[in-house]
Formats: sequence, C-alpha cells, structure tokens
Amino acid sequence: NAGVTQTPKFQVLKTGQSMTLQCAQDMNHNSMYWYRQDPGMGLRLIYYSASEGTTDKGEVPNGYNVSRLNKREFSLRLESAAPSQTSVYFCASSENPTLNTEAFFGQGTRLTVV
Amino acid sequence: ELKVEQNPLFLSMQEGKNYTIYCNYSTTSDRLYWYRQDPGKSLESLFVLLSNGAVKQEGRLMASLDTKARLSTLHITAAVHDLSATYFCAVGAGSYQLTFGKGTKLSVIP
Repeated sequence: NAGVTQTPKFQVLKTGQSMTLQCAQDMNHNSMYWYRQDPGMGLRLIYYSASEGTTDKGEVPNGYNVSRLNKREFSLRLESAAPSQTSVYFCASSENPTLNTEAFFGQGTRLTVV
Repeated sequence: ELKVEQNPLFLSMQEGKNYTIYCNYSTTSDRLYWYRQDPGKSLESLFVLLSNGAVKQEGRLMASLDTKARLSTLHITAAVHDLSATYFCAVGAGSYQLTFGKGTKLSVIP
C-alpha cells in the first residue's frame, strides 16, 4: 500500500541546472497533480493531468514542464532551475475529482536551488 | 478567480480548550476538503464535504460546510497535544483544480 511515491526526497541544484521529479501512484487513479508549497503560501498547483494522455497548466506553471508517462506516472521537469523554484514539491493523485473524491499526496521533494 | 481564506493563520491553545478554524471562499464551490500536515510531512486527508449543511466528525475534530455563506469550519473539542499540526482547507469549483488556503498552524500547549 505505497500510495503516492515521489523521488527524490531532497535535492540541491545550482542555478541553470535541470532535473526531473518523479511521481508514481499505485491506486489506479485517473488524475494526478503537482503542487509547490512555500512558507505562508499554502499549496499552489503547477500542472495537472486529468487523465492519461492529458496535461494542463495550473496556477504557477512557468519554468516547469510535465509528462504523464502512463496512468501511474507523472513527472515534473525543471529545465533551467532558478532560486525562485526553491520549494517543497508535492505530487498528488485522485480517482476523479468530478466524483468529489479527495486527493492523496506523496511525501514531498524538498528542492533547494543555489 | 477562486480565493480561499483561512483564519486564524496561527493558533496557540491550551489542552482541554475548544476552538474553531474558519475557511471562507469567494465563489460557488461543489466540494471542500480539510487536510492535516505535520512538520516536514505530507498532507493527510481529514474530511470531504460535498453539500450544504454537511457535518463530519472524527475524534475531537468536526467539520461543517455552509455553501450559502461560503464558509467551512473545523471545530476542535478538548484539544490535546497530538492535534498540533497545520490544517488546510481546499476548495474545488467545477474543475480539476483545488485552491488551498494558507493553512492554520495549531499549537496545543500542555
């Protein structure tokens, strides 16, 4: 019963470097999400995938790209990291939010860009 | 644009006391969620509220929803130290996106 698994848990990048955050869920959920959490800001949606094969921008998509590799996996890529992207990143999944089911969250990736 | 406001943002309370956290939102919503987050941890789902007048209870926590007032409350009864955490409400409005409040950091003092 792993739920939502994110890798890595911690990462330090230099400005301009690229990296991909990985997320996988084993609950057969249709929808997946990437959020970032900053102190005093709550969680803000970066991108989401309503179903396999679709992705859409959320509230703060600039500087990020995503790939819904299959139903289980949804990755987030930073092409050229900036200090403003220092944050904690959470991946989440839900069966289908239009059915009013809640989202389940991964453990988070703490990213520091220096 | 949907806005979600929680208050208070910080709450320090003594064990055994009662208190309420408020979550106001700006547009019509069809679903509201409460989550708990312990320091350095992920978010844990507490309640899902889907209709006007919905009330759900789990242990010392009770959540309610008034869609006409666009208000949800999370009531804490006889607080204990284990309830110390940050509590978020999240509101959905007809799309796949959830908008989160900034969170209420609760500290329960012995």
